[in-house]
Amino acid sequence: QVQLVESGGGVVQPGRSLRLSCAASGFNFNNYGMHWVRQAPGKGPEWVAFIQNDGNKKHYTEAVRGRFTISRDSSKTTLFLQMDSLRDDDTAVYFCAKDPRSHSWFFEDWGQGTLVTVSS
Amino acid sequence: QSVLTQPPSVSGAPGQRVTISCAGSTSNIGAGYDVHWYQQLPGRAPKLLIYSDTKRPSGVPDRFSGSQSGTSASLAISGLQTEDEADYYCQCYDDGLGGRVVFGEGTKLTVL
Repeated sequence: QVQLVESGGGVVQPGRSLRLSCAASGFNFNNYGMHWVRQAPGKGPEWVAFIQNDGNKKHYTEAVRGRFTISRDSSKTTLFLQMDSLRDDDTAVYFCAKDPRSHSWFFEDWGQGTLVTVSS
Repeated sequence: QSVLTQPPSVSGAPGQRVTISCAGSTSNIGAGYDVHWYQQLPGRAPKLLIYSDTKRPSGVPDRFSGSQSGTSASLAISGLQTEDEADYYCQCYDDGLGGRVVFGEGTKLTVL
């Protein structure tokens, strides 16, 4: 059974950094692409970033390009999102999500999410 | 404004059939990219409901069905049940801005 457990959220001031983690289990982590998707309060989901199964290809939504970095550690079966230069509009619940293959561009399984609040 | 357009709300009585539309463009649905649908219950993560236009993951009842034509897609729910009350989102890949994943703004289904 696929399990995705996010952690690392919290309250942070604008301009500061935060690192999210997503511990994956129940599947062969090395075979699947992974995504981060966020959802601001009262809004729909917004795709944030993608990393291919081998870590060689990464894609970002325009709003976070140059500020966020997605990475993965196959030995720890963990996905990361390094968020720098945070802004008020980055406030959201951040979900990690599993791609059904290396890059199918949809979300087969989701974690429960971790809340990031950017506020002074 | 979202790249994919959904009605803000739909409603139906138990047992009825409702449809939720998702209007896109030639850079996403019309370009041949698959449409996927998610159900989100209050306070929960979204759940994959329909993938690749018409396919259901295991465990999703056949009351839920998807279709696609041209630059639009639709989700149909038949035999409405009270537990179907939720937010529904369509999602697709889009060629814009160097390639990105896009969602609709969501449709709130109310079961009367």
